[in-house]
Amino acid sequence: AQRVTQPEKLLSVFKGAPVELKCNYSYSGSPELFWYVQYSRQRLQLLLRHISRESIKGFTADLNKGETSFHLKKPFAQEEDSAMYYCALGDSNYQLIWGAGTKLIIKP
Amino acid sequence: DAMVIQNPRYQVTQFGKPVTLSCSQTLNHNVMYWYQQKSSQAPKLLFHYYDKDFNNEADTPDNFQSRRPNTSFCFLDIRSPGLGDAAMYLCATSKAGGIHEQFFGPGTRLTVL
Repeated sequence: AQRVTQPEKLLSVFKGAPVELKCNYSYSGSPELFWYVQYSRQRLQLLLRHISRESIKGFTADLNKGETSFHLKKPFAQEEDSAMYYCALGDSNYQLIWGAGTKLIIKP
Repeated sequence: DAMVIQNPRYQVTQFGKPVTLSCSQTLNHNVMYWYQQKSSQAPKLLFHYYDKDFNNEADTPDNFQSRRPNTSFCFLDIRSPGLGDAAMYLCATSKAGGIHEQFFGPGTRLTVL
C-alpha cells in the first residue's frame, strides 16, 4: 500500500538549532517526493521536491531509497520557519499521498 | 501573476442549505483538484479533473459534487451540508503529463450553523 508517514505531530526547537522533520514512505514504484509548507494564514505551497535537489530557504531533503525516507533538514532554524510541514508522495494518477503533517515551532 | 483564486474566502451556511464554492486559475493547467482540510490535518482529496474527465475518490460522500465548465473554472457543490462538513476547502491545479507540483488556492473556510 502507498503510504507516507510523518512520525512527529509537533516538533519544537530553539532558534539556531538544527531541524530535522522525518518522512518515511511506502511505494512500489520509483517515488516522486515533495515537501509542502503551510505558514500561518497562507496557502499551502511547495517547499521542495526531490528531483530538483535544490536548497530552498536553507532546507534540504535527500531521498534515501534504502531507508525509504525523505527527511527535511535545516542546519540553523529561524523563527520564520515556524509552520506546518507536509511530506507528500506523487502517484501515477496525478494525485498526492499526504503525510499527516508536522507542526514546527521555533522558539526564540 | 498566474495563480489559483478561490471565492468566497469565507462562507457561512445553514445545516442542509446547499452551497457552492468556486475556483479559478490563470495557469492553464489541465488538472484541477478539490481538497477538504480540517484543523491541523492533511488535505483530503475529494476529487479531481483531468481536463473534463472527472475522478471521484471512493470515500467522497455523494453530498459533494463538482463541475468544471471550462479549463479555468471549477466548482464544488455541497448539496446538504452537515456540521461535519465545516472545514477549509482547497482548490489546486497541476500540469498534466507526469507528476508535477500542485499549486494551491488560499482556500474557502466553510462554517455550517
